[in-house]
Amino acid sequence: EVQLVESGGGVERPGGSLRLSCAASGFTFDDFGMSWVRQVPGKGLEWVSGINWNGVSTGYADSVKGRFTISRDNAKNSLYLQMNSLRGEDTALYHCARDTLGIRGAFDIWGQGTMVTVSS
Amino acid sequence: QSALTQPASVSGSPGQSITISCTGTSSDVGGYDFVSWHQQHPDKAPRLMVYDVSYRPSGVSNRFSGSKSGNTASLTISGLQAEDEATYYCISYTRSAALVFGGGTKLTVL
Repeated sequence: EVQLVESGGGVERPGGSLRLSCAASGFTFDDFGMSWVRQVPGKGLEWVSGINWNGVSTGYADSVKGRFTISRDNAKNSLYLQMNSLRGEDTALYHCARDTLGIRGAFDIWGQGTMVTVSS
Repeated sequence: QSALTQPASVSGSPGQSITISCTGTSSDVGGYDFVSWHQQHPDKAPRLMVYDVSYRPSGVSNRFSGSKSGNTASLTISGLQAEDEATYYCISYTRSAALVFGGGTKLTVL
């Protein structure tokens, strides 16, 4: 079964750090670009960051640029998001998503998400 | 990276057709044929309905179609069904090698 499973969310104080992970299974991971997308409960989707199949090309939303770092380990079929200098507005459900064609927004597989709460 | 503009809500009766617009700029929607549409039911993960402006993934009904004119992309749903009631999001590639979503459109099937 094609599947993405996120982990690593939790409660962190402003200024703190968290590292999210996304475990992929059921498909050839290094054939696809990947992204992180977040959603505040009851609100819309926000693209956070994306990475191409081999990790050479990455992109970030302005709201996280310089604070978050996306990476992948194709040998472990895993995607990561290192989140530093966390702010209250980073509180959201974070999904990883498979992009059919590099970093283009064609997310055909989504994980169920991991919740991040930034609060003092 | 400003969010793409979508109407907050649209509605239609079963069997009718509706169109949801997604307006950006020449730096995103108008500059690339990389616009996708995602459907999200409450408390569910989103689902890809259209990619690269007008292509449907395998398994998506041909009642869903996408198009683009200038800086505005559109998603048309024909033969509305009750299960189409959901929130729809467009997303586009941008000149800064990033992606940007629209604010979402809640579709109500009357």
